[in-house]
Amino acid sequence: GAGVSQSPSNKVTEKGKDVELRCDPISGHTALYWYRQSLGQGLEFLIYFQGNSAPDKSGLPSDRFSAERTGGSVSTLTIQRTQQEDSAVYLCASSAELNQPQHFGDGTRLSIL
Amino acid sequence: GNSVTQMEGPVTLSEEAFLTINCTYTATGYPSLFWYVQYPGEGLQLLLKATKADDKGSNKGFEATYRKETTSFHLEKGSVQVSDSAVYFCATRNTGGFKTIFGAGTRLFVKA
Repeated sequence: GAGVSQSPSNKVTEKGKDVELRCDPISGHTALYWYRQSLGQGLEFLIYFQGNSAPDKSGLPSDRFSAERTGGSVSTLTIQRTQQEDSAVYLCASSAELNQPQHFGDGTRLSIL
Repeated sequence: GNSVTQMEGPVTLSEEAFLTINCTYTATGYPSLFWYVQYPGEGLQLLLKATKADDKGSNKGFEATYRKETTSFHLEKGSVQVSDSAVYFCATRNTGGFKTIFGAGTRLFVKA
């Protein structure tokens, strides 16, 4: 069946622009997670959703980052006024329930010029 | 909070060599432990997991044993193949928790 789908797969933009990253989780998965993988670094947890709510936003790196999820399905991660240090691969994962194994998308590679 | 430390790469081996990638963790309570793999050009995949002490996770010839006394979860394979070339991530998550903490990843190159 279909896995976690992320779009775009690659995004190149100028510093200061806003970007939106999209994640389509596996159908029926209630939990959705966003991670960031910077060059040579491990995965950094950003935020998770249980249904449409995000109980803990403390993992977001700054107030330029926000995320939402509507209809218990698609999620968007928005980065406003992008900076060069935002360049990374942004990974989305979903799981049937919290504490179940996470299934990852292929990620969005974001490059800020 | 939890943390994971895994051996730095890259690790370069010849085909059919024995593989060990070390992973140690710190955690409160009794975490679940995971190995994820990222093949070139692909997303992360769960390779194996263990949920309690002395459990052995295994998949595709890879094994890892949950060692509480040494807080370790080393990944092993008896005979690697070129197709095993990938980045391997060790990870931990507390029971009842939602956040998975990943190590930095270890890149494995297997030469024919």
